Amino acid sequence: QQKVQQSPESLTVSEGAMASLNCTFSDGTSDNFRWYRQHSGKGLEVLVSIFSDGEKEEGRFTAHLNRASLHVSLHIREPQPSDSAVYLCAMRDTGANTGKLTFGHGTILRVHP
Amino acid sequence: GPKVLQIPSHQIIDMGQMVTLNCDPVSNHLYFYWYKQILGQQMEFLVNFYNGKVMEKSKLFKDQFSVERPDGSYFTLKIQPTALEDSAVYFCASSPGLGGAEQFFGPGTRLTVL
Repeated sequence: QQKVQQSPESLTVSEGAMASLNCTFSDGTSDNFRWYRQHSGKGLEVLVSIFSDGEKEEGRFTAHLNRASLHVSLHIREPQPSDSAVYLCAMRDTGANTGKLTFGHGTILRVHP
Repeated sequence: GPKVLQIPSHQIIDMGQMVTLNCDPVSNHLYFYWYKQILGQQMEFLVNFYNGKVMEKSKLFKDQFSVERPDGSYFTLKIQPTALEDSAVYFCASSPGLGGAEQFFGPGTRLTVL
């Protein structure tokens, strides 16, 4: 069973400064890694979905995947106070091919004006 | 973007009662999921459902749990009887396919079992 660890547990940045979040996983068999955002009381909003090693950019959000290091990161360019939320890393479990996602515990991001 | 709706947003019930959580998935989606998030813990997969059948379920999906989607209506999670440890936020998700197809999540139903 995949294990997913996120760091840091919480992060505070100033508006406009780059925010970087990290996720490590227990094995590299998954074919898809995702970053979601969860504002308080809301559902999950997908930010970036990445399949291959390297970088994928979606607007101000960039994911970097390195399977050999069992690591995927999320970088948020020019964060704004409205980006304050819980950020969840998730990966698709390819074992039974049912679409099951395994999540990390999340990183609480606070962006100060 | 596509929206998944969940009804109700909050539910408080006494231990031992039955509860049904309702999910209105995206209209053309074929795969449906329930996830459970206990306060302060990570979100965990419960079950997924396709073509009227459970495809995979986790160890959290106890015998007291059941899912169905009768005639294309709500996708439901029923718990009968409920236990204190069932208190959590339950998130529904739907997707048009498997593989890299995106799962769209609802806002969750907060269930409190007293």
